[in-house]
Amino acid sequence: GENVEQHPSTLSVQEGDSAVIKCTYSDSASNYFPWYKQELGKRPQLIIDIRSNVGEKKDQRIAVTLNKTAKHFSLHITETQPEDSAVYFCAARSHTGTASKLTFGTGTRLQVTL
Amino acid sequence: AAGVIQSPRHLIKEKRETATLKCYPIPRHDTVYWYQQGPGQDPQFLISFYEKMQSDKGSIPDRFSAQQFSDYHSELNMSSLELGDSALYFCASSPATGELFFGEGSRLTVL
Repeated sequence: GENVEQHPSTLSVQEGDSAVIKCTYSDSASNYFPWYKQELGKRPQLIIDIRSNVGEKKDQRIAVTLNKTAKHFSLHITETQPEDSAVYFCAARSHTGTASKLTFGTGTRLQVTL
Repeated sequence: AAGVIQSPRHLIKEKRETATLKCYPIPRHDTVYWYQQGPGQDPQFLISFYEKMQSDKGSIPDRFSAQQFSDYHSELNMSSLELGDSALYFCASSPATGELFFGEGSRLTVL
């Protein structure tokens, strides 16, 4: 099955700086890579996603890049703000028949300090 | 917009008891997923249903079972509860395009 690795496990940046989180996946057939933001005790919320036919996608301060050859994808947050502090999960979707489950990375706890 | 509805939001049970969690997916979403998330852990896939049929199974214990009903709501049944079952249980639904939308979760505490 799919295996997703995520680094770093914790990341502390100063407000205004950029943050980068990296993930690798194992299943070359995976074709959908979402990123979720989760605050303590809350549900994971989709913040951005990318499909395998695209190399980069941007939404305001958030961007995601995908390298299919190397099987890795990254989340970039620019001009970080204290409200960006949360746990971020990458995920990859591997198809299994008529449904496709998401396999999550182990998460990155981002702390944005003033 | 309608979201995924889960109930109950909080549940406290004793060891060896049984618990049932309910999930109402977003209308017209064809797939429902159940995930378990322990403290400080990533969500672990348990089971999924596509058009009311079980479509995939993950690390779901034999003590757990789930089903999706004709109205598309799903239930996760957990029996012989153990302390290690204490976790947040998320239901998610997705349309054909594949994005997963999570419910608020049900927090199960086993004493």
